[in-house]
Amino acid sequence: QSVLTQPPSASGTPGQRVTISCSGSSSNIGSNYAYWYQQLPGTAPKLLIYSNNQRPSGVPDRFSGSKSDTSASLAISGLRSEDEADYYCAAWDDSLSGVVFGGGTKLTVL
Amino acid sequence: EVQLVESGGGLVQPGGSLRLSCAASGFTFSGSAMHWVRQASGKGLEWVGRIRGKGNSYATAYAASVKGRFSFSRDDSKNTAYLQMNSLKTEDTAVYYCTPGYCSDDVCYPRFDPWGQGTLVTVSS
Repeated sequence: QSVLTQPPSASGTPGQRVTISCSGSSSNIGSNYAYWYQQLPGTAPKLLIYSNNQRPSGVPDRFSGSKSDTSASLAISGLRSEDEADYYCAAWDDSLSGVVFGGGTKLTVL
Repeated sequence: EVQLVESGGGLVQPGGSLRLSCAASGFTFSGSAMHWVRQASGKGLEWVGRIRGKGNSYATAYAASVKGRFSFSRDDSKNTAYLQMNSLKTEDTAVYYCTPGYCSDDVCYPRFDPWGQGTLVTVSS
């Protein structure tokens, strides 16, 4: 049981916009930044979004992040086949004094 | 270019020990906190813990699931971080990743970038 809650799966067709949610609590997302990672099959995770809505250099602006209260969201617009991957949210948890991850969302491009 | 190379994984029996290494290059290793994250096959990511740099007295923090069994260390002269795993359990079977992170006061932000390729630890009899 992960501290952060994500839907196990999401899907969309090429060109569509999809959103992945991440629900937390006051001790993690509610009081700290949210982060998002993309993990392509057979590879290590890659930082996609940091500090709620910032993109590292090289990440396309099709990817965007937002945060509201104790939840965060990752939006992917102009969906492409190469976006098919697992997506994880993460945050620092003040109560646990550690990093917590969501259980991951498997994105399928139909 | 920032690079991280984990090594030391393998097959070990329950109750056994293993030491993983993480060789880093391309950034100021001595000033960075180093985190370990693991992933069981087909499962999600789990933070194992971190070790901070000399300026923060090499402070360590561990996930509850490994506290008392795992320990972190580092050799800044070799730009290498270590994860010593003792009293291993079957549920410790996973790919183990190392990644640098940024800490401020008591908060270590999970801005993990980049990640190594990971090293597989299998705990089985």
